[in-house]
Amino acid sequence: AQSVTQLGSHVSVSEGALVLLRCNYSSSVPPYLFWYVQYPNQGLQLLLKYTTGATLVKGINGFEAEFKKSETSFHLTKPSAHMSDAAEYFCAVSLYSSASKIIFGSGTRLSIRP
Amino acid sequence: SQTIHQWPATLVQPVGSPLSLECTVEGTSNPNLYWYRQAAGRGLQLLFYSVGIGQISSEVPQNLSASRPQDRQFILSSKKLLLSDSGFYLCAWTSGQSGSNQPQHFGDGTRLSIL
Repeated sequence: AQSVTQLGSHVSVSEGALVLLRCNYSSSVPPYLFWYVQYPNQGLQLLLKYTTGATLVKGINGFEAEFKKSETSFHLTKPSAHMSDAAEYFCAVSLYSSASKIIFGSGTRLSIRP
Repeated sequence: SQTIHQWPATLVQPVGSPLSLECTVEGTSNPNLYWYRQAAGRGLQLLFYSVGIGQISSEVPQNLSASRPQDRQFILSSKKLLLSDSGFYLCAWTSGQSGSNQPQHFGDGTRLSIL
């Protein structure tokens, strides 16, 4: 069965600092992995996805994530945080179902200090 | 391009009243459709999904129901709302032709408050 764990419900960084949001997955088959961002009172927006191929995936807004099979991780990073990056971030893994269901982590709230 | 619309954006309802939230998708045919609930400060809970007209799968037992009367229309309903039904409700879709590697695309959500 597939599952995903996000370490740290709240992360705070200074503007211009590195952003690192952690995600570990469990999957009995090669996983399909996603990162979403949610701004207050809005829906979720896809940041990036990993399906096959290159393990370093680049997404929107300068974010990227690296799939590490040996560590069962898919951490999200951004070299330099902007105030506009403050939001909730969700890691997700595909459930390999015919209905394209995915399961979400519990989310990490990112705060940016001026 | 494909778009997804949810309404209303916010709703305040008394306990025991009925509920109807609507979601429509444009620019695609035969999508897979999903309803999620997000409680304050928590992750997303999948409530229902549908792979075609009239086909509804429920993920958790609850006070809510879903219907898909048309290909691109997904409705979340309740006959009598409970306080515990408060939350942020999100509709999402994927291409019905896609495999498990396709992301879901979300609407802007409905904030439901039960008084």
